[in-house]
Amino acid sequence: GIQVEQSPPDLILQEGANSTLRCNFSDSVNNLQWFHQNPWGQLINLFYIPSGTKQNGRLSATTVATERYSLLYISSSQTTDSGVYFCAVDKGGSEKLVFGKGTKLTVNP
Amino acid sequence: DAGVIQSPRHEVTEMGQEVTLRCKPISGHDYLFWYRQTMMRGLELLIYFNNNVPIDDSGMPEDRFSAKMPNASFSTLKIQPSEPRDSAVYFCASTAGTGASYEQYFGPGTRLTVT
Repeated sequence: GIQVEQSPPDLILQEGANSTLRCNFSDSVNNLQWFHQNPWGQLINLFYIPSGTKQNGRLSATTVATERYSLLYISSSQTTDSGVYFCAVDKGGSEKLVFGKGTKLTVNP
Repeated sequence: DAGVIQSPRHEVTEMGQEVTLRCKPISGHDYLFWYRQTMMRGLELLIYFNNNVPIDDSGMPEDRFSAKMPNASFSTLKIQPSEPRDSAVYFCASTAGTGASYEQYFGPGTRLTVT
């Protein structure tokens, strides 16, 4: 099946710093989503981005489908950005999302 | 829209008991998914439905697990009998799965503890 690798596994930042999270996948995809799992466990949709670039406030994401990777940028990080960021993909012809292991982000005040 | 609704939010039960988790998808969504999250295995898909029909249950761990979707607005995941290794957070998700977007939306999850 399709493999999803996220890096780095852990990231510690000071408030106000910028960061880039990476997601590599092993096959062409029909769907790519970024989620933030907050400390209460809720999975929050950040981006649906099978290709191209999107921005939402301090967050932006870029997927280069031909090179099989996606990047999530967080600028001017805040303590509320802490949590785990997941990348999930599904292969064309299937609606089954496969999740990476996540990047655990800690933003210190 | 209220989003995906799951109940209960927390469930504590003893080994051997039957557990039923419930999910109401977003109105108009044709696909419904059940996922399980554990520290060891991360987030994994258990089963998904399209138009109330089970499409792929290859992720269901064993016969103790069963899922139904009697109508477009309700699904259950049942574990009978439950075991301590079933302790996990169970998420339900839904998507329209049509047009330009297959974006899945997740419910708040049910945290199951089997003692």
